[in-house]
Amino acid sequence: DQQVKQNSPSLSVQEGRISILNCDYTNSMFDYFLWYKKYPAEGPTFLISISSIKDKNEDGRFTVFLNKSAKHLSLHIVPSQPGDSAVYFCAASAGGDMRFGAGTRLTVKP
Amino acid sequence: DTGVSQDPRHKITKRGQNVTFRCDPISEHNRLYWYRQTLGQGPEFLTYFQNEAQLEKSRLLSDRFSAERPKGSFSTLEIQRTEQGDSAMYLCASSPPTVNTGELFFGEGSRLTVL
Repeated sequence: DQQVKQNSPSLSVQEGRISILNCDYTNSMFDYFLWYKKYPAEGPTFLISISSIKDKNEDGRFTVFLNKSAKHLSLHIVPSQPGDSAVYFCAASAGGDMRFGAGTRLTVKP
Repeated sequence: DTGVSQDPRHKITKRGQNVTFRCDPISEHNRLYWYRQTLGQGPEFLTYFQNEAQLEKSRLLSDRFSAERPKGSFSTLEIQRTEQGDSAMYLCASSPPTVNTGELFFGEGSRLTVL
């Protein structure tokens, strides 16, 4: 049961431009949403999160937007840097249960 | 304590053999999770512990899979009678007792190849 979906397997952007990664979910019981970043041969690392009671959370170049009515969230990276190239996973949690999307591979070209 | 530690990092085994993976979480993290990741997919939830209690198991966790966390510290994941479809990266993660963000701290994973 895919409760968290990332429909774009890959995204390529130019350095300095904005990267927008999207995620949809189906379970209305999720109360926290997170983005993780993964480099090859490493485990995912936490990037940013947002509570279901908020619609925006910002941390430096990274901003997460949550649209509860649409069950949609997005991660904006601006400006994008080559070091941001990685696989980004969207995740959603309800209590102790966390589910992940399939990931979007972001490539930032110099 | 530098993070979540998993052992072994790589395991190659023949079909039908048993394998065991170990995870040492970050100290004082009371929650411990096991996930499985295959190529092109996100981590799939297998099971999680709060202290020594196994609170939830996924339907993905067949009878051949068993996880333990006997003293509420390290955990083991055993796969019996391995099948080729078990080939995957097995990820362990832990989280602290504080509620809210739900952030998980992942280890580097144990890659299983079943021949």
